[in-house]
Amino acid sequence: EAQVTQNPRYLITVTGKKLTVTCSQNMNHEYMSWYRQDPGLGLRQIYYSMNVEVTDKGDVPEGYKVSRKEKRNFPLILESPSPNQTSLYFCASSPDEIAYEQYFGPGTRLTVT
Amino acid sequence: KNQVEQSPQSLIILEGKNCTLQCNYTVSPFSNLRWYKQDTGRGPVSLTIMTFSENTKSNRRYTATLDADTKQSSLHITASQLSDSASYICVVSAGPGGSYIPTFGRGTSLIVHP
Repeated sequence: EAQVTQNPRYLITVTGKKLTVTCSQNMNHEYMSWYRQDPGLGLRQIYYSMNVEVTDKGDVPEGYKVSRKEKRNFPLILESPSPNQTSLYFCASSPDEIAYEQYFGPGTRLTVT
Repeated sequence: KNQVEQSPQSLIILEGKNCTLQCNYTVSPFSNLRWYKQDTGRGPVSLTIMTFSENTKSNRRYTATLDADTKQSSLHITASQLSDSASYICVVSAGPGGSYIPTFGRGTSLIVHP
């Protein structure tokens, strides 16, 4: 089944404790991206990647890191999480960044205390 | 600054009725416009995607229109069903020079009552 998976689905952590949210897709898509969704705000793009070893900042990259060492994986890294990073995070992938629909993962709900 | 405004913010309709959701944008240069459906607590699912040259696209009971001159789009839902209750999100991506970064609207929350 074609899908985007994220782990963990739920995470509660403390300020400053490094964490990684994994994202994997099995559709051989070139384009992957990370978003956060907060109440009353639209989804906002954190980082995106057009291909292996190619990543770039989205609208709200501060406090996040990403890597794209393999085509299928695009982990999101929070080196020193803070409470303002409490949010619902989505990973998405698509064949390219232009004309194709994006496939979203199920989301990761992160709480930083 | 690129912006996407959706209206209404929320909408309640009876099952079987039609409804239309609106999206106005100021994204430039324009690349494409997408409508997504997002059920509570789940990832968005694509309904339609339109490029500059397309002014209408249908997907089952969903029909999206695009007026690139006025920078407006609408999503029409025909014969609504209970399962249509969700948030509908309009997303506009900037084209060359805009790094294709998408701008998301805040969504319209649709509730369909029996």
